[in-house]
Amino acid sequence: ETGVTQSPTHLIKTRGQQVTLRCSSQSGHNTVSWYQQALGQGPQFIFQYYREEENGRGNFPPRFSGLQFPNYSSELNVNALELDDSALYLCASSLGGRNSNQPQHFGDGTRLSIL
Amino acid sequence: QQQVKQSPQSLIVQKGGISIINCAYENTAFDYFPWYQQFPGKGPALLIAIRPDVSEKKEGRFTISFNKSAKQFSLHIMDSQPGDSATYFCAVPNTGTASKLTFGTGTRLQVTL
Repeated sequence: ETGVTQSPTHLIKTRGQQVTLRCSSQSGHNTVSWYQQALGQGPQFIFQYYREEENGRGNFPPRFSGLQFPNYSSELNVNALELDDSALYLCASSLGGRNSNQPQHFGDGTRLSIL
Repeated sequence: QQQVKQSPQSLIVQKGGISIINCAYENTAFDYFPWYQQFPGKGPALLIAIRPDVSEKKEGRFTISFNKSAKQFSLHIMDSQPGDSATYFCAVPNTGTASKLTFGTGTRLQVTL
C-alpha cells in the first residue's frame, strides 16, 4: 500500500511569487485535504477536495486554491506569496464521501520558505 | 469555530514511566477522536483513534480514554521509551460539509533514559 506522497520536499520562493505543491493520495483514498503548519503550531485546515470539487475551506484567502485530478491526486496553488506563508504544507488523504469522517493519513509535507 | 485545548505544552518522562496528554473540545457529535504523532521533519502519523460510543481503547502501549460528558479525551503512553519522544497532537473532526480536522496546539514529549 502506497502512502501519501508530496513534492517537492523543500521550496524557496520570494514575496509576490506563485507556487504549486503536489500530492498523491494513499492508494484507494478519494478525498484529499490540505493543511498549513507553522513552526511550533498544530496543522490548520486549508481546504478539502472530493470528486474533483472543493468540499469545504478554512480561514484562508482566495489566493490559496487547489485542484483534484481524476486519479485523486491534488495540487495546492498559492499566489502573491507573503512572508507569513512560510510553513510546512501537509496533504492528507482519506476514504469517504462528502460528509465522511474517515481517518486522515498525512504525507511528510512540503517545507515552503518565503524570502 | 471548533476550539480544541491540549495540555500540557511539554512533558518530560523517564524511561518506563507513564505519559499522559489531555485534550478538551467544545462542540459535539463527532465520529472519531484521533491522536497523531509527529517527528521532526515528518508529517503527523495517525497513532490511535477512538469512537465516541466507547470510553477506552488500547493498542499496545497506547490507550485513549474518552469522557463524553466532560468533552475530554486523553492519551496514555505506558512504559514510555526514548523512541516515543515526539510531538503529539489531538484532533477533532467537524461534521457538516467538510470533515476537516481541528488540531490541538501539540505536546512535545521527551522521554529520558
